[in-house]
Amino acid sequence: GQQLNQSPQSMFIQEGEDVSMNCTSSSIFNTWLWYKQEPGEGPVLLIALYKAGELTSNGRLTAQFGITRKDSFLNISASIPSDVGIYFCAGQSGSGANSKLTFGKGITLSVRP
Amino acid sequence: ETGVTQSPTHLIKTRGQQVTLRCSSQSGHNTVSWYQQALGQGPQFIFQYYREEENGRGNFPPRFSGLQFPNYSSELNVNALELDDSALYLCASSQSPNQPQHFGDGTRLSIL
Repeated sequence: GQQLNQSPQSMFIQEGEDVSMNCTSSSIFNTWLWYKQEPGEGPVLLIALYKAGELTSNGRLTAQFGITRKDSFLNISASIPSDVGIYFCAGQSGSGANSKLTFGKGITLSVRP
Repeated sequence: ETGVTQSPTHLIKTRGQQVTLRCSSQSGHNTVSWYQQALGQGPQFIFQYYREEENGRGNFPPRFSGLQFPNYSSELNVNALELDDSALYLCASSQSPNQPQHFGDGTRLSIL
């Protein structure tokens, strides 16, 4: 089935640094979403992207929908300790019965104070 | 605005038993999707319900079944539990099938 590729599995950064995460797919998606999950909680929606080339910001987070519709990236600027968590990309390929989300395996972000 | 709520938060069952997990969708949302998340993995789509009808299914056997009620809350039922069914089960709701999905905190199911 479809798979989204996120790597590396873990990232370690210093507080105040910027970090960028990529997500790639062999299939085209119509919508890209980025979620953050913390221990004991469900994924929380960070940003949703609907058009190829779209660049959207949410505070210190910026995400882009790749022009090939097969990739997306998420950038976090000026990281803080509460940015720690697992970041998942997810693609949505259609509407109706095809509106399921396909997730990557996630990137675990650690921020050193 | 109340978000997506799931119950119970934790559950322990033995092989062969049956389990029912419950989900209340966010206010104004008519679509509920269920996902299974194994340790260290991303969520895997089980199925989606839209206006009380199944609206898409992932690669899960028929012993995984569901329901959606007129108030758009939903149940996930799993029969003949297997050890590999141990996972976090997540429910997500959305305003319609192609709108962004918002997740509950999940039910942690352990099979002994």
